[in-house]
Amino acid sequence: KQEVTQIPAALSVPEGENLVLNCSFTDSAIYNLQWFRQDPGKGLTSLLLIQSSQREQTSGRLNASLDKSSGRSTLYIAASQPGDSATYLCAVSRNTGNQFYFGTGTSLTVIP
Amino acid sequence: NAGVTQTPKFQVLKTGQSMTLQCAQDMNHEYMSWYRQDPGMGLRLIHYSVGAGITDQGEVPNGYNVSRSTTEDFPLRLLSAAPSQTSVYFCASSYSVRGRPDTQYFGPGTRLTVL
Repeated sequence: KQEVTQIPAALSVPEGENLVLNCSFTDSAIYNLQWFRQDPGKGLTSLLLIQSSQREQTSGRLNASLDKSSGRSTLYIAASQPGDSATYLCAVSRNTGNQFYFGTGTSLTVIP
Repeated sequence: NAGVTQTPKFQVLKTGQSMTLQCAQDMNHEYMSWYRQDPGMGLRLIHYSVGAGITDQGEVPNGYNVSRSTTEDFPLRLLSAAPSQTSVYFCASSYSVRGRPDTQYFGPGTRLTVL
């Protein structure tokens, strides 16, 4: 079974700071990895999807990287804003099967 | 384009009652899935479907049933509700690329309380 870990569970930063969120997984035979944002009481919003053949993906102020050999992905947020405050989750699908495995998320607070 | 819709938004059941959570998508996605989200445990997959007429179990399928008669709809049935099924339930859908799920789109969730 794929185990997905996100550390830290919570993070608080001042507005304008660049920050990195971490996601690690135990089985490097992944098919793709997806980063999501979840606002309180809401569903998940997809941010970025990285295929196993890719090293990184970018969307606006967000950059996600993938290192399969070390079982790690990072989500880089540039020039953080209070509107970035949310829980960020990563999910990994394996080469075999059709299941996604989720981490428990990092709760981010950006202080104005 | 409504995306993924779920009904109801909130539900309270008594132990032993049954109910169906509804999920629909209008994006013609082949892949649909149900998750439950519990504090400290992240999202766990209950059941999924790779197309109409095809379903499979996820990580925590016990106590739940699904069927997929159309591409658009993927209802989740609780057979006999138990307090352990108190949770937030999310439905998701995605295109299937070479038979594998791609970017997932989530519904707003159903908050279920079982007394």
